[in-house]
Amino acid sequence: GNSVTQMEGPVTLSEEAFLTINCTYTATGYPSLFWYVQYPGEGLQLLLKATKADDKGSNKGFEATYRKETTSFHLEKGSVQVSDSAVYFCALKTRGANNLFFGTGTRLTVIP
Amino acid sequence: DTAVSQTPKYLVTQMGNDKSIKCEQNLGHDTMYWYKQDSKKFLKIMFSYNNKELIINETVPNRFSPKSPDKAHLNLHINSLELGDSAVYFCASSQNRETEAFFGQGTRLTVV
Repeated sequence: GNSVTQMEGPVTLSEEAFLTINCTYTATGYPSLFWYVQYPGEGLQLLLKATKADDKGSNKGFEATYRKETTSFHLEKGSVQVSDSAVYFCALKTRGANNLFFGTGTRLTVIP
Repeated sequence: DTAVSQTPKYLVTQMGNDKSIKCEQNLGHDTMYWYKQDSKKFLKIMFSYNNKELIINETVPNRFSPKSPDKAHLNLHINSLELGDSAVYFCASSQNRETEAFFGQGTRLTVV
């Protein structure tokens, strides 16, 4: 079956620290992988995506590389800001599937 | 213009009532979804429609009934509301069954 395992939170970092949020997946076939972000009181926004092995998705200083050999899609950012405080969700979608499978979400708090 | 809009944003109602949440997308997408987010932020698919046809109907009580009058709308009607229905409900859409989903702002339902 399809599933996403995401690093448990919450994560608290100081401003300008390096961020890694781990995500591994199990999927039938070759999934597309996504990171979504949910800011307080808002809906989910697509942060970045990768649709095949070795692709790197990037946006707003965040990056994630699709690693087929380790079935991972870890989210990284070199220098976080207070405005990055949010809940981050890793997700996958397989060809022919009809919905996104989400991880449990990781709450990030960045303190000044 | 909001891409995926759902109304109302907040809904407080008593147990036993019937309520509806409306969703509209102006992206020309073929596929629409309803997700439920519980108090721990876990996201679970409820329904998926492709070109007005029901594709996914996960294990949800039959008190929940989706209605898709056209490709741009997917409304959610809930009968005989229960305390456990309290959650945030998200509508989403995607170009097709394989691409990323765009989410609405969510409807926070509170049953008292």
